[in-house]
Amino acid sequence: QKEVEQDPGPLSVPEGAIVSLNCTYSNSAFQYFMWYRQYSRKGPELLMYTYSSGNKEDGRFTAQVDKSSKYISLFIRDSQPSDSATYLCAMSARASSYGKLTFGQGTILTVHP
Amino acid sequence: KAGVTQTPRYLIKTRGQQVTLSCSPISGHRSVSWYQQTPGQGLQFLFEYFSETQRNKGNFPGRFSGRQFSNSRSEMNVSTLELGDSALYLCASSLSGSETQYFGPGTRLLVL
Repeated sequence: QKEVEQDPGPLSVPEGAIVSLNCTYSNSAFQYFMWYRQYSRKGPELLMYTYSSGNKEDGRFTAQVDKSSKYISLFIRDSQPSDSATYLCAMSARASSYGKLTFGQGTILTVHP
Repeated sequence: KAGVTQTPRYLIKTRGQQVTLSCSPISGHRSVSWYQQTPGQGLQFLFEYFSETQRNKGNFPGRFSGRQFSNSRSEMNVSTLELGDSALYLCASSLSGSETQYFGPGTRLLVL
């Protein structure tokens, strides 16, 4: 079983929809949680960064972390065609990570006009 | 600030050859991590360097190695290439190995 599980999709939604992306994990030492967006043939771009449990909002994006359930989510409001990309969750346990992020498989999202 | 840069962007090699990839981190960042990305396995951690020292290593064979220079630039080397080494190789930099890592565009390696 992988440490981080993410539904690969693909997910297709109409423009303006609310998108929900999720990851579950098994390592209780994970404390730092990130969401990256990766366009085709590009490197991952950091979208959101959260520590421990709670919510964080940035524009149309909201990240949620529930450590008790080992579950994290990313919500995209008013989705746009430019949001079409692969979304990767990533996490680390600071005490022993030394630069190591553990990634989910990535969810392919398409927002159609 | 300039982002993370990687060279070359594309590379074609044959089995048995070796390859060296280069990464220049964001100015002021001293930690460089390397990842391999494939459709089947996703993004997997290779190793991390900080102040010219490897501090962490993933589960890859010894054919994969790296180094870091005093200016924080890093190189990774893959010897005796195999077909399965075809992948996108990404490097990421951070201030000190903190969790906020910024990725470069990657080097796409094709092994024939």
